Amino acid sequence: EAGVTQSPTHLIKTRGQQATLRCSPISGHTSVYWYQQALGLGLQFLLWYDEGEERNRGNFPPRFSGRQFPNYSSELNVNALELEDSALYLCASSFPNQPQHFGDGTRLSIL
Amino acid sequence: GDSVTQMEGPVTLSEEAFLTINCTYTATGYPSLFWYVQYPGEGLQLLLKATKADDKGSNKGFEATYRKETTSFHLEKGSVQVSDSAVYFCALRKTDSWGKLQFGAGTQVVVTP
Repeated sequence: EAGVTQSPTHLIKTRGQQATLRCSPISGHTSVYWYQQALGLGLQFLLWYDEGEERNRGNFPPRFSGRQFPNYSSELNVNALELEDSALYLCASSFPNQPQHFGDGTRLSIL
Repeated sequence: GDSVTQMEGPVTLSEEAFLTINCTYTATGYPSLFWYVQYPGEGLQLLLKATKADDKGSNKGFEATYRKETTSFHLEKGSVQVSDSAVYFCALRKTDSWGKLQFGAGTQVVVTP
């Protein structure tokens, strides 16, 4: 069974640009979650999608947004990139109310 | 608010030593509790879980018991290997917000031969 896959593995952007990160969940999983793992800040919950709807978002500004597609894959968009957005972005998926399974992440570097 | 507190690392051990990583939580109600492990350059892997008081989660020689009275979920392994070197995260999930995991800061474990 294929796990959660994320692309790209690494992404380098400059301040002010926009970044798009992609996530394919484990087959059959309908819920997708995004987390930010920034140096010194630990793992922070970003977004939760279930059946195409945003169910909850963490304490992040509106320039962090995303969506879930009919095939349950998901995109995370970050607009107007700032230096402090440099982090590992982790996507996870699960069946409803079941343990989350994580991908290997996208490393976003802002120059 | 809800929170998870883990012992600070790094924890450095010799192979075959006993490992304990303390985790305590603050939350209303009865959250589910998890331990995840992150190996270098990888994402998180679910190690074990417990969904109610006195539940014991176990996997790959690791164990943790959900202690409601002490709001704790300490991780233990009787004999560590070099391959257990990783960062370990304790996390909770509330019943009324099951999509959101709240993580502790993580504890780095280094096992030397």
